[in-house]
Amino acid sequence: DAGITQSPRYKITETGRQVTLMCHQTWSHSYMFWYRQDLGHGLRLIYYSAAADITDKGEVPDGYVVSRSKTENFPLTLESATRSQTSVYFCASRIKGGGRADWWSYNEQFFGPGTRLTVL
Amino acid sequence: DQQVKQNSPSLSVQEGRISILNCDYTNSMFDYFLWYKKYPAEGPTFLISISSIKDKNEDGRFTVFLNKSAKHLSLHIVPSQPGDSAVYFCAARVLASGNQGGKLIFGQGTELSVKP
Repeated sequence: DAGITQSPRYKITETGRQVTLMCHQTWSHSYMFWYRQDLGHGLRLIYYSAAADITDKGEVPDGYVVSRSKTENFPLTLESATRSQTSVYFCASRIKGGGRADWWSYNEQFFGPGTRLTVL
Repeated sequence: DQQVKQNSPSLSVQEGRISILNCDYTNSMFDYFLWYKKYPAEGPTFLISISSIKDKNEDGRFTVFLNKSAKHLSLHIVPSQPGDSAVYFCAARVLASGNQGGKLIFGQGTELSVKP
């Protein structure tokens, strides 16, 4: 299916375990992002990627690792899960803008459906 | 340090009336602002945006106003409908060069409830 998908949609794990959340987009968007949503904090950026093999930290990167070997995939790994990482995780993508009169249209990010992660 | 703030966690409005959602920001380097709408168990979806060089943008029932001197933006929904009930996030784009330019900073969200 076209669009942006996340898997799994729901995950329960235990403290100390490694968990990988998957994100896949079919638009060949250059930019991809990982956010977490927590009550009172809104959406906070964890990591983002401007292109394959280019990643950078966001606001709350500690405890997370990302990779981007292919344009369409952007997995997020919790190396040793902690209870504070219980959250809803959203992946998003955006095309790379520049050079067009309607540059503002390239700011929109498209979000996946989210993964609800519970760390016990 | 919350650079984008939505100080009202919730708002309740009667169907047919106007809904006004507010957002304040602190960073003068933001050059573009967006509003997203989120239903339960779904990802946020883009609603409307405004460039910092404008003070108003309108799309059907939705209008966003930007007051740069006050570092304040608002989303007006007229008339409000029960289907508008959702969480609304405002977001600001960081003006930066290269790969940094794709980032958005989101507010905490405001939950709108439109009652029939």
